[in-house]
Amino acid sequence: GAGVSQSPSNKVTEKGKDVELRCDPISGHTALYWYRQSLGQGLEFLIYFQGNSAPDKSGLPSDRFSAERTGGSVSTLTIQRTQQEDSAVYLCASSPGGPRIETQYFGPGTRLLVL
Amino acid sequence: GDSVTQMEGPVTLSEEAFLTINCTYTATGYPSLFWYVQYPGEGLQLLLKATKADDKGSNKGFEATYRKETTSFHLEKGSVQVSDSAVYFCALSEGQFYFGTGTSLTVIP
Repeated sequence: GAGVSQSPSNKVTEKGKDVELRCDPISGHTALYWYRQSLGQGLEFLIYFQGNSAPDKSGLPSDRFSAERTGGSVSTLTIQRTQQEDSAVYLCASSPGGPRIETQYFGPGTRLLVL
Repeated sequence: GDSVTQMEGPVTLSEEAFLTINCTYTATGYPSLFWYVQYPGEGLQLLLKATKADDKGSNKGFEATYRKETTSFHLEKGSVQVSDSAVYFCALSEGQFYFGTGTSLTVIP
């Protein structure tokens, strides 16, 4: 079946612009995660959605970052007033749900470059 | 809090060499442990996992044993191939996922 998909695969934007990154999880997966992978760094947790529960936003680095998940499926990560330090690969992952120990399935990522 | 520390890279090995990538963790409870691999130009994918102490995860010739006494989950492979060139991430899950910084492996013919 189809895996996790993300769009766009690459995004170049100017400092100060807003960007939206999209994630389509695996069908039926109730848990969805967003991570940021900066050059030479590990994965930085951003936000976690599980079903209809309130999302865990504890990893969002500033109030310029927000995310939504509509209908328990597609998710959009929005970065407002982008800064150069936002340049990174943004990864989305989904898992079947239940306890947060389930294997995560990752999308290919969106490479964001802020000029 | 929970954390994962893994061996820094990059690591360069000749084909058929023995590989060890060290990973140690800090956790308050009994986490599940994972190794993920990211091949060039691809997304992360699960390589192997172990959910309790003394479990051994294995896949594609790679192995890792969950050692509670040393809080470690070192990745090993007896004979690496060029196709194993990738970035390897150790991770734990205990209510939330924590990833290491990744170790880049290059295998040369």
